[in-house]
Amino acid sequence: AQSVTQLGSHVSVSEGALVLLRCNYSSSVPPYLFWYVQYPNQGLQLLLKYTTGATLVKGINGFEAEFKKSETSFHLTKPSAHMSDAAEYFCAVSGGTGRRALTFGSGTRLQVQP
Amino acid sequence: NAGVTQTPKFQVLKTGQSMTLQCAQDMNHNSMYWYRQDPGMGLRLIYYSASEGTTDKGEVPNGYNVSRLNKREFSLRLESAAPSQTSVYFCASSVGTDSDTQYFGPGTRLTVL
Repeated sequence: AQSVTQLGSHVSVSEGALVLLRCNYSSSVPPYLFWYVQYPNQGLQLLLKYTTGATLVKGINGFEAEFKKSETSFHLTKPSAHMSDAAEYFCAVSGGTGRRALTFGSGTRLQVQP
Repeated sequence: NAGVTQTPKFQVLKTGQSMTLQCAQDMNHNSMYWYRQDPGMGLRLIYYSASEGTTDKGEVPNGYNVSRLNKREFSLRLESAAPSQTSVYFCASSVGTDSDTQYFGPGTRLTVL
């Protein structure tokens, strides 16, 4: 079985500050890992994903994440927050279940203060 | 290229009523999915279709049925709606392997009174 834990349902940062959203996963097989973003009243949009190869993955809008197998983590970072980054962020895992579907974390709502 | 489209955007039902949520994709994807989103719970898989002609249960299938009408369309039916089915429903599609990006529709906000 797979599971995803996102620490912190709400994170607040100041504009220009570092963004760090935490994600830990549990999987019995090498996972594929994803970060999605959801803006208010919209569907989910892919930020970045890890499949194989380089463990530091760069995504859209200046976000990146590092796959750390030993820590079973896939934390999302951005060096400098922008007001437009305010949204809900979901970490997800797939692989090994035969379903070809995603298992999502509960989400982290990011607020950016001016 | 519209991506994944869903209808309706909003719906209010009374307990016991039925309805069908429609989903279509124009990306020639093999796999399609239905998720529901509830506050504090992320998205949970209701049903999925790995390819045309196949459907399988996900994590929370009770109270729902699906039809993969053709490669483009995947509908979700509530036969007898219950207040516990009040949620936002998202359809998604992907090429069809575990590492593929899933593309999501804009969602249907359903309220069951």
